[in-house]
Amino acid sequence: GQNIDQPTEMTATEGAIVQINCTYQTSGFNGLFWYQQHAGEAPTFLSYNVLDGLEEKGRFSSFLSRSKGYSYLLLKELQMKDSASYLCAVRNTGGFKTIFGAGTRLFVKA
Amino acid sequence: EAGVVQSPRYKIIEKKQPVAFWCNPISGHNTLYWYRQNLGQGPELLIRYENEEAVDDSQLPKDRFSAERLKGVDSTLKIQPAELGDSAVYLCASSLAFAANTGELFFGEGSRLTVL
Repeated sequence: GQNIDQPTEMTATEGAIVQINCTYQTSGFNGLFWYQQHAGEAPTFLSYNVLDGLEEKGRFSSFLSRSKGYSYLLLKELQMKDSASYLCAVRNTGGFKTIFGAGTRLFVKA
Repeated sequence: EAGVVQSPRYKIIEKKQPVAFWCNPISGHNTLYWYRQNLGQGPELLIRYENEEAVDDSQLPKDRFSAERLKGVDSTLKIQPAELGDSAVYLCASSLAFAANTGELFFGEGSRLTVL
């Protein structure tokens, strides 16, 4: 089966750096995604990792360790608009199904 | 380019009534998904289509839920009869075949269902 764990909530200060962790278990790994979802809106794609290492895209970076079943999303220079839920999602090789974690609600305070 | 379009945005019905949701994916996206999202949870896959074929419907409660994707483009998701526990946001998403790219999902704004 598949299981994805991420913290329920996090709070950080504007201008700071925050790291959101995700651990997963899957029968066959075929990529890990991070999505951002503002309250009442649809999820939007942030990043994709399929090989070990760090992918950087502007203020956002995502890291993957396949051997540890671990990923993190790093947000730098936090802005108030970054307050949202961040969803970790894993795609497996069995049917190429994308399964989502419950999401981490990030609150950015002034 | 237009994104994924869903309707209706909001629907309030009484239990035991039927309801239907419609989705128009991004042009050229052959894969279409229906997800259900409960408050404070991540999206849960209900069904995935490759063109007009349902390739994964293992999570679809088939006693009351049905879906179709005629001609491999638009899709409808139906619930009949609705139960109180069906209250949720129903998200439609589409993607390109991921053999050629990351295969990330593009979501519509969702249809929020309230069953009274």
